[in-house]
Amino acid sequence: QKEVEQDPGPLSVPEGAIVSLNCTYSNSAFQYFMWYRQYSRKGPELLMYTYSSGNKEDGRFTAQVDKSSKYISLFIRDSQPSDSATYLCAMRAGNMLTFGGGTRLMVKP
Amino acid sequence: SAVISQKPSRDICQRGTSLTIQCQVDSQVTMMFWYRQQPGQSLTLIATANQGSEATYESGFVIDKFPISRPNLTFSTLTVSNMSPEDSSIYLCSSGLAGGNYNEQFFGPGTRLTVL
Repeated sequence: QKEVEQDPGPLSVPEGAIVSLNCTYSNSAFQYFMWYRQYSRKGPELLMYTYSSGNKEDGRFTAQVDKSSKYISLFIRDSQPSDSATYLCAMRAGNMLTFGGGTRLMVKP
Repeated sequence: SAVISQKPSRDICQRGTSLTIQCQVDSQVTMMFWYRQQPGQSLTLIATANQGSEATYESGFVIDKFPISRPNLTFSTLTVSNMSPEDSSIYLCSSGLAGGNYNEQFFGPGTRLTVL
């Protein structure tokens, strides 16, 4: 079993929809939780990170962490075609990041 | 944020040869990291490049296969040695911000390597 699990998708939604992307994990030592966006043939781009449980909002993006369930989510409101990318969750214990496999999102106009 | 560049952006190499990938950061950073991303898969950390000391390798990666240099606080190289087709992958360099906030890691655009 992988430490971080993420549904690979693809997830296809119409423009304007609310998108929910999720990861589960098994290592209770993870304290910091990140979301990256990766466009095709580009490096990952950090969207946001959160510490411990709770919510964090940044524009159209909301990150949610539930440590009791070992479950994190990224919500995208009013999704746009430009949001079409692969979304990677990542988690940190110590200096090392552990990544999920990524979910490919397609937002159709 | 940190701006990271990598050279080359892509290469096609023959089995048994070696390729050195360069990574340049626009500011001085404590740690730089090298990742591998195989087709359709996520990122796997190869090693952490420390300035002034040997790199720290993750399980499954060894210095003889992936020698790393870190001559200063803005630059690092990763060499993929004695390549085989299984080494075909995207190799990514990343760093945190100056000051060592490991939650904010920034990535270069990657080097797409194909080994024939």
